[in-house]
Amino acid sequence: AQKITQTQPGMFVQEKEAVTLDCTYDTSDPSYGLFWYKQPSSGEMIFLIYQGSYDQQNATEGRYSLNFQKARKSANLVISASQLGDSAMYFCAMSSDTGRRALTFGSGTRLQVQP
Amino acid sequence: DTGVSQDPRHKITKRGQNVTFRCDPISEHNRLYWYRQTLGQGPEFLTYFQNEAQLEKSRLLSDRFSAERPKGSFSTLEIQRTEQGDSAMYLCASSLDLGEQYFGPGTRLTVT
Repeated sequence: AQKITQTQPGMFVQEKEAVTLDCTYDTSDPSYGLFWYKQPSSGEMIFLIYQGSYDQQNATEGRYSLNFQKARKSANLVISASQLGDSAMYFCAMSSDTGRRALTFGSGTRLQVQP
Repeated sequence: DTGVSQDPRHKITKRGQNVTFRCDPISEHNRLYWYRQTLGQGPEFLTYFQNEAQLEKSRLLSDRFSAERPKGSFSTLEIQRTEQGDSAMYLCASSLDLGEQYFGPGTRLTVT
């Protein structure tokens, strides 16, 4: 079974500063993927970034980077230069690479960017 | 708009009624997923299709729920004899093989 834990229900960050959203996971699968999604108040889940368990380098997508520490089973999301539009719920998720790609989500972190 | 679409966006129904939701995936995507999200929680997996075949169903999918994907294109999710506990956002996502899942805007169901 897979489990995702997000221990920060809410976070505040000042505009233009960087923020780290925590995510730890647990799985017995040898190969897996880790994802971050953003959910604005409109409700739509927006894919942000993906990290494969065998990827040697941390994933980056624009202002988003994933700090992957396999031994610690953590996959934290770093958002650089925060913008007001970054205010949203952020969900960490994972899936197995053994064919079943259904995502297991954490409970989310609400990020509020302050001007 | 070539993203995932869902219809309706909102549905209010009385307990005991049947409801059906529709999802149109991104056209070239062969995998389609249904999730349910209750207030303050992350989405929970319900079921998924590869083309027209339903490959997995979650334990959350009771016998009152049924999903279809005829011809491997759009999908429908039907809930029979709705209960207040079915009130949630129902999210559809699609992917190309094992690629990233792209989500639709969701259907918010309220059972009164």
